[in-house]
Amino acid sequence: GENVEQHPSTLSVQEGDSAVIKCTYSDSASNYFPWYKQELGKGPQLIIDIRSNVGEKKDQRIAVTLNKTAKHFSLHITETQPEDSAVYFCAARPLNFGNEKLTFGTGTRLTIIP
Amino acid sequence: GAVVSQHPSRVICKSGTSVKIECRSLDFQATTMFWYRQFPKQSLMLMATSNEGSKATYEQGVEKDKFLINHASLTLSTLTVTSAHPEDSSFYICSAKWPGGSTGELFFGEGSRLTVL
Repeated sequence: GENVEQHPSTLSVQEGDSAVIKCTYSDSASNYFPWYKQELGKGPQLIIDIRSNVGEKKDQRIAVTLNKTAKHFSLHITETQPEDSAVYFCAARPLNFGNEKLTFGTGTRLTIIP
Repeated sequence: GAVVSQHPSRVICKSGTSVKIECRSLDFQATTMFWYRQFPKQSLMLMATSNEGSKATYEQGVEKDKFLINHASLTLSTLTVTSAHPEDSSFYICSAKWPGGSTGELFFGEGSRLTVL
């Protein structure tokens, strides 16, 4: 089965600086990679995702890059703000119907220092 | 994005009682929903896949008789923790698969925190 590793487990960044979270996956069949933000006591919220047919995707201050050959993908948050503080999870899964189970990374607790 | 609602958000019960948690997709029909369990400061662990009109598929190690899942309609799945014990205390989260598009994005509920005394 799929195994997703995520680093770092904790990350503190000065407000305004950039934050980068990295994930690796093991199953070459995985071709959909979402990122979720989870605030304390709440469910995960999808913030961005990428499919394997593209190498990069950007949405305002958030970007995700994918290296399918190396089986790793990264989340980049620029101009960080205090409200970016949360736990971030990467995930991976194949896109074929009938196999839609997401495998999550272990999470990164991001703290933005004002 | 799509809205998935979970209820209750918090529940406290006595040991030995059963607790039902509801997961609703509010603005779309979800033939597939997923139930997760999350321990403090840990990742989400998939418990089971809930398919409308059929039996749920449980992950290895998850007790079917302990965690009853019913997906009776296209907008509602329920998880019942039967004969709950303190070790069942956890944060339970559901997600619903968006039917449109090729990716079938998953949208998550707000979670339900169960405390068993």
